[in-house]
Amino acid sequence: DIQMTQSPASLSASLEEIVTITCQASQDIGNWLAWYQQKPGKSPQLLIYGATSLADGVPSRFSGSRSGTQYSLKISRLQVEDIGIYYCLQAYSAPYTFGAGTKLELK
Amino acid sequence: EVQLVESGGGLVQPGRSLKLSCAASGFTFSNYGMHWIRQAPTKGLEWVASISPSGGSTYYRDSVKGRFTISRDNAKSTLYLQMDSLRSEDTATYYCAGRVSFDYWGQGVMVTVSS
Repeated sequence: DIQMTQSPASLSASLEEIVTITCQASQDIGNWLAWYQQKPGKSPQLLIYGATSLADGVPSRFSGSRSGTQYSLKISRLQVEDIGIYYCLQAYSAPYTFGAGTKLELK
Repeated sequence: EVQLVESGGGLVQPGRSLKLSCAASGFTFSNYGMHWIRQAPTKGLEWVASISPSGGSTYYRDSVKGRFTISRDNAKSTLYLQMDSLRSEDTATYYCAGRVSFDYWGQGVMVTVSS
């Protein structure tokens, strides 16, 4: 099974700050990587698919990148509405696996 | 507007069965793979099962193989998850999701397995 190691587990940042979350895949998954945001009591929402493509309606301050088997989600200028838990997902092969999540809080 | 609406959750005793449904609208259901994902209270997301657009291929996580069955009715644009021999560790909110990158998600339905 493919393991997704997500870091950090939690993150405290200030408004307008740049935030970066990473996921390391245990093997090559190509660009089959997606990022989600989940707010309390809500279902996850797709942010990035194909490692770097912005989902419809997602603000342009969100971006995804890939370097080998390491994937990153960057928020260029943190806003209040960005607070929540972020997950990566490898959609390369079953069993599909999520990262453990990053809880993003305001400092 | 894309909508995925889950139903069928509830409280069930260990060893019993439950069937979840997910009604889809706003996209061509029969063109896309569909998935079930669960989230135990205060925990992260866990993929459960997936099914190909035609229903001809299915995939399961090891812990539910032989107990859960994913299926779909493309004429009704509905996804199902038959859950048998339920265990306490199956307690979670169950989400259906659609398309390759799990683009669309339902609101989730709670399943509680307890005596």
